[in-house]
Amino acid sequence: DTGVSQNPRHKITKRGQNVTFRCDPISEHNRLYWYRQTLGQGPEFLTYFQNEAQLEKSRLLSDRFSAERPKGSFSTLEIQRTEQGDSAMYLCASSPPGYTFGSGTRLTVV
Amino acid sequence: AQSVTQLDSQVPVFEEAPVELRCNYSSSVSVYLFWYVQYPNQGLQLLLKYLSGSTLVKGINGFEAEFNKSQTSFHLRKPSVHISDTAEYFCAVIPSTSGTYKYIFGTGTRLKVLA
Repeated sequence: DTGVSQNPRHKITKRGQNVTFRCDPISEHNRLYWYRQTLGQGPEFLTYFQNEAQLEKSRLLSDRFSAERPKGSFSTLEIQRTEQGDSAMYLCASSPPGYTFGSGTRLTVV
Repeated sequence: AQSVTQLDSQVPVFEEAPVELRCNYSSSVSVYLFWYVQYPNQGLQLLLKYLSGSTLVKGINGFEAEFNKSQTSFHLRKPSVHISDTAEYFCAVIPSTSGTYKYIFGTGTRLKVLA
C-alpha cells in the first residue's frame, strides 16, 4: 500500500492552456474523490467516482473541467482553457475503508 | 445544507502550552465529525473522528476533541503543544444521510507554535 499518488506535484501553465492531473488511488479502494483547495480555504468537493462511474459533480465543476476514471483504477482531471481563478491545490482521495488523501497537485495559472 | 465554521483563522501559542481550536457546525441532520491536519505542501492527515458513542474522542499526536450536540461544536484540544504541531487544522463533517460521503470542510485554523 503506497497511499494515494498524485502527479504532477506542481504545474505552472499559461492562461488558456489545457492541463491534466492524474490520481492513482489505493488499489482496493472503489471510491475516488477530487477536491479543490484555494489559498486560505478548506478543500471543496468537486466530484466523486464509484469504480468507473462518476456519480456526483459539484456545481464548482464548470464545463471546462472533466474527470474520468477508466476501468475504475486511476483518475484524471482535465481543465481546458485555464483561467487564473483555477489556481489552487487539487486533492484526490480514495476510500473505503477510511479516507486517504494524496499530497495534491498545485496548479498555478499565469 | 451543512456548514462548518472555524472562527479562529490563526492561533499562536507557546510550546508546551495547551491549545483549543474551535469548530462549530450547522446541519439539519446528524453528522459525522472529523479533524484533519495539513502540513505545508502536503495532503490531509486524519487526526480523529466522531461517528457515534462517547463524545470525547482521542486521536493521534496527543489530540482530543469533544462533541457537544447542544452547542453543535467539536473543539480540538491538546494539553501541551510542540513546535512540530505547527500546521493548518481543518474541521469537517459528513452528513450521516450522505450516500457519497463527501466532506464539508471549514476554512481552517493555522496553529503556530512559538519557542
